Amino acid sequence: GENVEQHPSTLSVQEGDSAVIKCTYSDSASNYFPWYKQELGKRPQLIIDIRSNVGEKKDQRIAVTLNKTAKHFSLHITETQPEDSAVYFCAALRGKELTGGGNKLTFGTGTQLKVEL
Amino acid sequence: DAGVTQSPTHLIKTRGQQVTLRCSPKSGHDTVSWYQQALGQGPQFIFQYYEEEERQRGNFPDRFSGHQFPNYSSELNVNALLLGDSALYLCASSLGLAGPDTQYFGPGTRLTVL
Repeated sequence: GENVEQHPSTLSVQEGDSAVIKCTYSDSASNYFPWYKQELGKRPQLIIDIRSNVGEKKDQRIAVTLNKTAKHFSLHITETQPEDSAVYFCAALRGKELTGGGNKLTFGTGTQLKVEL
Repeated sequence: DAGVTQSPTHLIKTRGQQVTLRCSPKSGHDTVSWYQQALGQGPQFIFQYYEEEERQRGNFPDRFSGHQFPNYSSELNVNALLLGDSALYLCASSLGLAGPDTQYFGPGTRLTVL
């Protein structure tokens, strides 16, 4: 089955700096890669996602890059702010068009991001 | 537009008991997935329901079972509770076969087994 590795496990940056979180996946058939932000005691919130036919996607201060050959994908946050402090999870999924039905998310182990003033 | 809702918010049970957790999907969604999130870990897939049937299952024992109702809401049942079942249980909703793979999470039910 799919295995997703995520690093670093903790990341501390100064406000205004950039943050990068990296993930690798094992199943070459995975074709959808979302990123979730989870604040303490809250639900995971989708912040950005990318499909395997795209190499990069941006949404304001957040971007995701995907290298299908190396099976790597990364989250980039620019101009970090204190409200970016949270746990970030990457995930991988083999889409329904490939499974013919179910589409489970396999998550990484999370990165605790702390943005310091 | 109603988001994903779950009940109850918190639950305390003792070993050996049984528990039922409930989930209502986001308006317009017809597929519900359940995940278990242990403290400090990423969510782990339990199973997924579509058209009132279990469509896919993760590596969880048969003590974990579920159901989906005609209105697309879903229940997760856990029998013979173990201390290790203490976790945040999340449900996620999505669209069925014709929809995108995007899954939206509910707030979760925090289960504590004593």
